[in-house]
Amino acid sequence: GESVGLHLPTLSVQEGDNSIINCAYSNSASDYFIWYKQESGKGPQFIIDIRSNMDKRQGQRVTVLLNKTVKHLSLQIAATQPGDSAVYFCAENILGGSQGNLIFGKGTKLSVKP
Amino acid sequence: EAGVVQSPRYKIIEKKQPVAFWCNPISGHNTLYWYRQNLGQGPELLIRYENEEAVDDSQLPKDRFSAERLKGVDSTLKIQPAELGDSAVYLCASKKRETQYFGPGTRLLVL
Repeated sequence: GESVGLHLPTLSVQEGDNSIINCAYSNSASDYFIWYKQESGKGPQFIIDIRSNMDKRQGQRVTVLLNKTVKHLSLQIAATQPGDSAVYFCAENILGGSQGNLIFGKGTKLSVKP
Repeated sequence: EAGVVQSPRYKIIEKKQPVAFWCNPISGHNTLYWYRQNLGQGPELLIRYENEEAVDDSQLPKDRFSAERLKGVDSTLKIQPAELGDSAVYLCASKKRETQYFGPGTRLLVL
């Protein structure tokens, strides 16, 4: 479940299983969303994005689902591998706005057990 | 294509000392961002540049933080004087179209 402060929500999965990471975004005007993966000691790495005129987008082993009604975003990782272990952040953005800035959600730590 | 380059990767200083971080964005990316990331949290924007112009510095603590991007390419972020609470990872990102690409960050520890 959700945690406060320094304690990240953690998802622990077995290697080969599918992972689902959830994110609630805050601004109903946001129209562009990104998932980032951040490994220890590294900067966030782009995984996949989706615009608000879509509700699903697939990449290689990853799928992002967007539910604008409840302002919810999810990242599905198929056949999770040890290399997927990292902290995952969702971010929202208002395209075309004067700011064009990303607002990051709370991260989720994914731990993959071999 | 080379990614966003940042230096130094690590920096340890005593409080009240100055410190500077450098960023070289991806070639051709006109938008550059500086973020601060505290432990266990997502990055928070400090400043955004469009070419050499700082178009959003509303979150930059201007009493001690400054930034510049003189020729619209490289950028530096400076803290003077540093405080204990400035210990964090300072991330630089550059953008092409909608997607921001991040550098590895500079890990700052203020003692």
